[in-house]
Amino acid sequence: DGGITQSPKYLFRKEGQNVTLSCEQNLNHDAMYWYRQDPGQGLRLIYYSQIVNDFQKGDIAEGYSVSREKKESFPLTVTSAQKNPTAFYLCASSTEQGAGYTFGSGTRLTVV
Amino acid sequence: KQEVTQIPAALSVPEGENLVLNCSFTDSAIYNLQWFRQDPGKGLTSLLLIQSSQREQTSGRLNASLDKSSGRSTLYIAASQPGDSATYLCAVSDRGFNKFYFGSGTKLNVKP
Repeated sequence: DGGITQSPKYLFRKEGQNVTLSCEQNLNHDAMYWYRQDPGQGLRLIYYSQIVNDFQKGDIAEGYSVSREKKESFPLTVTSAQKNPTAFYLCASSTEQGAGYTFGSGTRLTVV
Repeated sequence: KQEVTQIPAALSVPEGENLVLNCSFTDSAIYNLQWFRQDPGKGLTSLLLIQSSQREQTSGRLNASLDKSSGRSTLYIAASQPGDSATYLCAVSDRGFNKFYFGSGTKLNVKP
């Protein structure tokens, strides 16, 4: 079955460490997105990518980095520059026209 | 910048009631509007997508309407069931690209 896989489901980070969240899709979607969700709040866009080897900053990109070397993969790195990284991170994909918007099951990141 | 507001933030109803969830947005120049469902600790599932040229969409017991000129959308759930208990998120997308701006959601509890 086609879908989006995020891993790991839970991730713990020590202060000062970089961590990378994985997102893989087999839907043949061109566009991929990373969102952050804090308790009681809606999702906020971190980065998005319309095609391979190209990506743009969203509304809260500071302290994050991404790459898009393959169509199927859009990993997110949470760097030590992100001062408040504890949150639920959601990856999504869609066609270039925005159809078939599909979310992964999320990664919960906690700073310890 | 687009702002999306959802009212109420939480709703508790007995099983069988018909209910309405509200969503408002500040910039009427949207490309489309989508309603999502989120179960605790999970990703989002798309329920209904309304293109900017449409007035409503229906799927089973769900009906979503869109009034662009007033910046409002409603999600109507008929004959609510305990399995409908979840958080419902409204999101609007920009022209030019399909990144979404999310409301903070309505947490619905349907009591047996």
